[in-house]
Amino acid sequence: QLQLQESSPGLVKPSETLSLICTVSGGSISSSNYWVWIRQTPGTGLEWIGSIYYSGSTNYNPSLKSRVTMSVDTSKNQFSLKVRSVSAADTAIYYCAREKWELLRFVHFDNWGHGTLVTVSS
Amino acid sequence: NFLLTQPHSVSESPGKKVTISCTRSSGSIASNYVQWYQQRPGSAPTTMIFETNQRASGVPDRFSGSIDSSSNSASLTISGLKTEDEADYYCQSYDNNNRVFGGGTKLTVL
Repeated sequence: QLQLQESSPGLVKPSETLSLICTVSGGSISSSNYWVWIRQTPGTGLEWIGSIYYSGSTNYNPSLKSRVTMSVDTSKNQFSLKVRSVSAADTAIYYCAREKWELLRFVHFDNWGHGTLVTVSS
Repeated sequence: NFLLTQPHSVSESPGKKVTISCTRSSGSIASNYVQWYQQRPGSAPTTMIFETNQRASGVPDRFSGSIDSSSNSASLTISGLKTEDEADYYCQSYDNNNRVFGGGTKLTVL
């Protein structure tokens, strides 16, 4: 059974870089699917941050693109997220998930990690 | 880019039927599939409906999805409401290389 687990950096200082790793188990990250980061600010809705294919190809939310970098490490079955120059507005629960594709089209986000709360504060 | 707009909250009694709407701001709602996710407090979202009207594995047939091109919106309908259906529901779609979520609807069953 596919499982995803986010790392837990906890507290990040304003203007610094938020770094998260998602470890995939029970399946290969080198499958015909994308891998995504989604965040949810406390009490509010979901926001797609970006998606990455095992080849390293990425798509980012235009509103975050200037501050976000995603990467993949197939040898460790992990993918990661970096958000630069964070502020209190980046305080959120960060989820990693699998973006399932079939027949070369997006289907849905079918497997999610439990989520990790990242707080931006000095 | 486009937006997906949902009502902030809906409420209905057990046994009744409720419909949650999701309106696309630009571009046709029919041009890309719509997904619906359920999220209970303290948990990650789970898929209820994918590809507009396909129920995910294990989802009861009380849940159904549809689109209405005249209003450029998608809908999630839950019939025979149960108290366990009380949760937040999010619609989601995509366009080119972007994935977009609606703002979410809190369903109260009372």
